[in-house]
Amino acid sequence: GDSVTQMEGPVTLSEEAFLTINCTYTATGYPSLFWYVQYPGEGLQLLLKATKADDKGSNKGFEATYRKETTSFHLEKGSVQVSDSAVYFCALSGSGNTGKLIFGQGTTLQVKP
Amino acid sequence: EAQVTQNPRYLITVTGKKLTVTCSQNMNHEYMSWYRQDPGLGLRQIYYSMNVEVTDKGDVPEGYKVSRKEKRNFPLILESPSPNQTSLYFCASSQRGADGYTFGSGTRLTVV
Repeated sequence: GDSVTQMEGPVTLSEEAFLTINCTYTATGYPSLFWYVQYPGEGLQLLLKATKADDKGSNKGFEATYRKETTSFHLEKGSVQVSDSAVYFCALSGSGNTGKLIFGQGTTLQVKP
Repeated sequence: EAQVTQNPRYLITVTGKKLTVTCSQNMNHEYMSWYRQDPGLGLRQIYYSMNVEVTDKGDVPEGYKVSRKEKRNFPLILESPSPNQTSLYFCASSQRGADGYTFGSGTRLTVV
């Protein structure tokens, strides 16, 4: 079945460091891919998305490119801030017409001043 | 403001006492879904709905019920809660699943 694998955390970085969180997926068909962010005590917020191969999603300095050849959707940011500390989830839209999201396990990012 | 509203935010209850977690969205979305989030298990879908009166099971439906009598509302019902249903629950909605979902703020449920 469809699945998403994320790098395990926690990831600890200093402010202004470069961030990469790896995400690979297994899916039938052509799913849409997403990154969600969960700040402490809050719900999930859609950070960015890509709906087809080679699409690049971007928002708030974060970017991810839909790579069909490597089945990957890695999240990157050039210079992280303390306010980026959160849990990041990679997800894909499942096959069929269920509207289902399949999530990775989540990666905790901690940014230190 | 476009949003998904869940209530309550926090709930402590006893085993076997029926409860309902409400979910409402103001975006006229077709799709609605319930997830539970547990440490080490990530987010798992409980039930989903593609439109009024159309619901189906997700990955972990046991012990839960839902209904979709109106487009905006999608309550989650626990007829006889048990401690293994202690979790953080999220409701979400989307016009079209492939576009991404808007999530509610979550309901932290503790069953003792």
